[in-house]
Amino acid sequence: GESVGLHLPTLSVQEGDNSIINCAYSNSASDYFIWYKQESGKGPQFIIDIRSNMDKRQGQRVTVLLNKTVKHLSLQIAATQPGDSAVYFCAETLDNYGQNFVFGPGTRLSVLP
Amino acid sequence: DSGVTQTPKHLITATGQRVTLRCSPRSGDLSVYWYQQSLDQGLQFLIQYYNGEERAKGNILERFSAQQFPDLHSELNLSSLELGDSALYFCASSVGPDRDAFFGQGTRLTVV
Repeated sequence: GESVGLHLPTLSVQEGDNSIINCAYSNSASDYFIWYKQESGKGPQFIIDIRSNMDKRQGQRVTVLLNKTVKHLSLQIAATQPGDSAVYFCAETLDNYGQNFVFGPGTRLSVLP
Repeated sequence: DSGVTQTPKHLITATGQRVTLRCSPRSGDLSVYWYQQSLDQGLQFLIQYYNGEERAKGNILERFSAQQFPDLHSELNLSSLELGDSALYFCASSVGPDRDAFFGQGTRLTVV
């Protein structure tokens, strides 16, 4: 498949450990954020979202934390599995009514056996 | 499978040419978005349509244009192609303009 982001920062974790992927967003006015996962040769896949009136949101094995003070978003993956290996993008929207998302550069997560 | 269909999957063309990329959104989705992803860059938002009308515009070059048809499928037209236009082009769709989008598999455009 295609290699996305050949020079992306990489996070390597052991299988079964927890992963934390960080993202700094650019616009303090952004009010909706999404984490996407992109596997090689595939399109981005929605993982979890959060609105700016929340600090934390949990999904299945994933948690997103939002710190508006420092414009920081993080994605926590519990008990990381080999299938979690992918590039992870955070995205912020600058438009309340549309989906003019600005994507971060991405982080490559590599799960070690 | 996200339900969003993009054709073709791969496209190789020469500089100066024009190509059309096609996207069929998920059944029931009214919004369609186009993104460009280069190998060394993240996803760049190009343009969004909602129910046939342009809703938002991002970093879309004047050489590029798009439209959404009455049956809600969308086409992205790229003209006067340059080497730097080589990239993955993704289409995404969502039910409404403020909901999370589902992405297609992308079209890999190579300009030679």
